[in-house]
Amino acid sequence: EPEVTQTPSHQVTQMGQEVILRCVPISNHLYFYWYRQILGQKVEFLVSFYNNEISEKSEIFDDQFSVERPDGSNFTLKIRSTKLEDSAMYFCASSGPGWRDAFFGQGTRLTVV
Amino acid sequence: GQQLNQSPQSMFIQEGEDVSMNCTSSSIFNTWLWYKQDPGEGPVLLIALYKAGELTSNGRLTAQFGITRKDSFLNISASIPSDVGIYFCAGQLNDYKLSFGAGTTVTVRA
Repeated sequence: EPEVTQTPSHQVTQMGQEVILRCVPISNHLYFYWYRQILGQKVEFLVSFYNNEISEKSEIFDDQFSVERPDGSNFTLKIRSTKLEDSAMYFCASSGPGWRDAFFGQGTRLTVV
Repeated sequence: GQQLNQSPQSMFIQEGEDVSMNCTSSSIFNTWLWYKQDPGEGPVLLIALYKAGELTSNGRLTAQFGITRKDSFLNISASIPSDVGIYFCAGQLNDYKLSFGAGTTVTVRA
């Protein structure tokens, strides 16, 4: 069964460093998303991406964040200068032509120290 | 953004019991989705609802899209130990993002 894959599964970084989280969405999907889940809290929307541009972003997704689809398969989230409060699980998701069913990856646990 | 209230926050259930949880919103949605999340994993889509009044089943799971478009419920029948986890509702209007509820933590007593 097709699935969304994310790497790495766990990333530890020092405050102020840049991190890139990687995702390979389901191959025929057209809509791509990043969500965040702080430990013990609900899943929060960060950004959606369609047709090679951001279609929507939340107030969490400030200038420190950026997304890119560098080739036909990868979808990345970059945090330029990490802060302690960026520590969370980051989930990539994708949805197909119908865009309403979003399938999630296993997540990347980001720990900023 | 839209606020979703999911209840109950947590529940302990006896194996074999039926379980019910629901989500309400102050604003309407066009799509309701129910996800299950196991510890350290990503949310897994259980059921998707696209039309007000729609009742959909997936094995022992049944979910309904409320007529007002502001609520949805999920039922689990004859619960088993692997039903343990956190269940999230998520609503979607016409934009691309999902708004998630805070989750219902289900623990099954064997």
